[in-house]
Amino acid sequence: NAGVTQTPKFQVLKTGQSMTLQCAQDMNHNSMYWYRQDPGMGLRLIYYSASEGTTDKGEVPNGYNVSRLNKREFSLRLESAAPSQTSVYFCASSVSGVSGANVLTFGAGSRLTVL
Amino acid sequence: QKEVEQNSGPLSVPEGAIASLNCTYSDRGSQSFFWYRQYSGKSPELIMSIYSNGDKEDGRFTAQLNKASQYVSLLIRDSQPSDSATYLCAAQTGKLIFGQGTTLQVKP
Repeated sequence: NAGVTQTPKFQVLKTGQSMTLQCAQDMNHNSMYWYRQDPGMGLRLIYYSASEGTTDKGEVPNGYNVSRLNKREFSLRLESAAPSQTSVYFCASSVSGVSGANVLTFGAGSRLTVL
Repeated sequence: QKEVEQNSGPLSVPEGAIASLNCTYSDRGSQSFFWYRQYSGKSPELIMSIYSNGDKEDGRFTAQLNKASQYVSLLIRDSQPSDSATYLCAAQTGKLIFGQGTTLQVKP
């Protein structure tokens, strides 16, 4: 059982380039999330999807877009990368809806550097 | 003001001591609270959840919740060097919001 799988694990971009982080879960979870983690800032929610077909903004959505492709997959796109988006990105999923008690399962993380 | 606040530390305790980690939250509507542990370079993993006022114990870990004071804590008894990690507090009001994490160092 793979759990939550994120790709790529590492990526270096130049300012202005675009890229998509992919996330897939095989636990039949309803909800999926994208967080970023910067030193001293903890985890900050970028976007989340309570169920297939819905997405909502989190704490820091600017500069990002998401797609909930199906129940398993939730992608995060940077249209024009900026150095401020250098971070570690975590995808997570949970069985409950957003209003329920969430226990998150996290992917291994994707380290993105924007030069 | 962040919605969930933690002292970033580091908190240093000797092996065998009790480590006390604290967290406050601003949204009185928060219903569920979680403690995640994150080792350096790894992803967070859930260690405790608590939903009602009082204490909840699981092995060496005890979570405490006081909704009137908007305060959540985690006690780790008989701390071990393997407990050295960053501990993230999270509160749920709809979406799940994390604090900045407290780094715990357990010295042999």
